[in-house]
Amino acid sequence: KQEVTQIPAALSVPEGENLVLNCSFTDSAIYNLQWFRQDPGKGLTSLLLIQSSQREQTSGRLNASLDKSSGRSTLYIAASQPGDSATYLCAVRGSQGNLIFGKGTKLSVKP
Amino acid sequence: DTEVTQTPKHLVMGMTNKKSLKCEQHMGHRAMYWYKQKAKKPPELMFVYSYEKLSINESVPSRFSPECPNSSLLNLHLHALQPEDSALYLCASSQETGMNTEAFFGQGTRLTVV
Repeated sequence: KQEVTQIPAALSVPEGENLVLNCSFTDSAIYNLQWFRQDPGKGLTSLLLIQSSQREQTSGRLNASLDKSSGRSTLYIAASQPGDSATYLCAVRGSQGNLIFGKGTKLSVKP
Repeated sequence: DTEVTQTPKHLVMGMTNKKSLKCEQHMGHRAMYWYKQKAKKPPELMFVYSYEKLSINESVPSRFSPECPNSSLLNLHLHALQPEDSALYLCASSQETGMNTEAFFGQGTRLTVV
């Protein structure tokens, strides 16, 4: 059974710092991996999608990498801003088509 | 347009009530999902519809009844719920359930069962 783990569970950084969020999964037979952002009480906003054949994807200040063989992904956020404060979730898509989520990393960026 | 619209945004219902949650997308996606999210927990899959047919039911109690009347709409009918069913219910859609497909989520329905 696929398990997704995110480390750290919470992170507090000063504004302007670069940071890395980690995601690991136990079964490397995935279709793709997706990073989401969730603000309190809100839905999920898709940030980046990495296909299983890809190594990384970039969007603005965000860069996500994928090492399928080792079951790891990282989300790099450059020059963090207070508006980046949210919970970041990674999810892997398995062969049945369902998304399996990690528990998330709660990020707080202090002004 | 990458919008998934869920209504209502908030719902309070008694344990003997019958209510429905609605989800709509106009992206031409053929896969639609219901997820349940409790506070400080990740979303948990409930149902998957693929081409308007139920393809995954994650052993959800029968008091939750999904319906996919057409490719743009997904409903979740609720009956005789328990207080522990209170949660954020999220709808999502994707082009298909397989590879090369990005999932888009709605803003959720905050359900409170009293």
